[in-house]
Amino acid sequence: QQKVQQSPESLTVSEGAMASLNCTFSDGTSDNFRWYRQHSGKGLEVLVSIFSDGEKEEGRFTAHLNRASLHVSLHIREPQPSDSAVYLCAMRDSGYNKLTFGKGTVLLVSP
Amino acid sequence: ETAVFQTPNYHVTQVGNEVSFNCKQTLGHDTMYWYKQDSKKLLKIMFSYNNKQLIVNETVPRRFSPQSSDKAHLNLRIKSVEPEDSAVYLCASSRDWGSYEQYFGPGTRLTVL
Repeated sequence: QQKVQQSPESLTVSEGAMASLNCTFSDGTSDNFRWYRQHSGKGLEVLVSIFSDGEKEEGRFTAHLNRASLHVSLHIREPQPSDSAVYLCAMRDSGYNKLTFGKGTVLLVSP
Repeated sequence: ETAVFQTPNYHVTQVGNEVSFNCKQTLGHDTMYWYKQDSKKLLKIMFSYNNKQLIVNETVPRRFSPQSSDKAHLNLRIKSVEPEDSAVYLCASSRDWGSYEQYFGPGTRLTVL
């Protein structure tokens, strides 16, 4: 069973409109959740790393964590075509310091 | 700025051949990782090394073997590749075993014909 589920699988938004991505996880024992971005053919770029319930903002990227509902979201304010990429949600297994990833959301920002 | 380097970028080979991928980090980190990203973009941890010592070895076939000469290098060798090994292999590093942040390299794309 996939421990980290992402939705939607793909998302198209217009430049400047808010983009919202979702991630649900199977248990609340992780101590850290993060969002990564991966442009085609490139490595992973960490966007936001969040530890506590609530909101964490990093520039145009805001993560919301709700452990009770096993949910973390990412909101991208004023997305640009250069934000088009695969967005990966990950949770950290504190016991082994390993990351468990979701399958990703493909975001396309149209001009 | 890239601080985790991987070579080669791409590799195409045939079933049964041996391949070797290199990873080097210039961050002075103690811990390094290998991840496999399949065609559906799912990333899974394969190995974790801390100060040249194997810490985590997920359930991967025995034909995969990590090799670490020093804490800045973690290579991955695959003996007798199979079609399902086609994937992108991502190397990462973190300051130490307890550090939250992992820095990823650009990946090596392997295609097995």
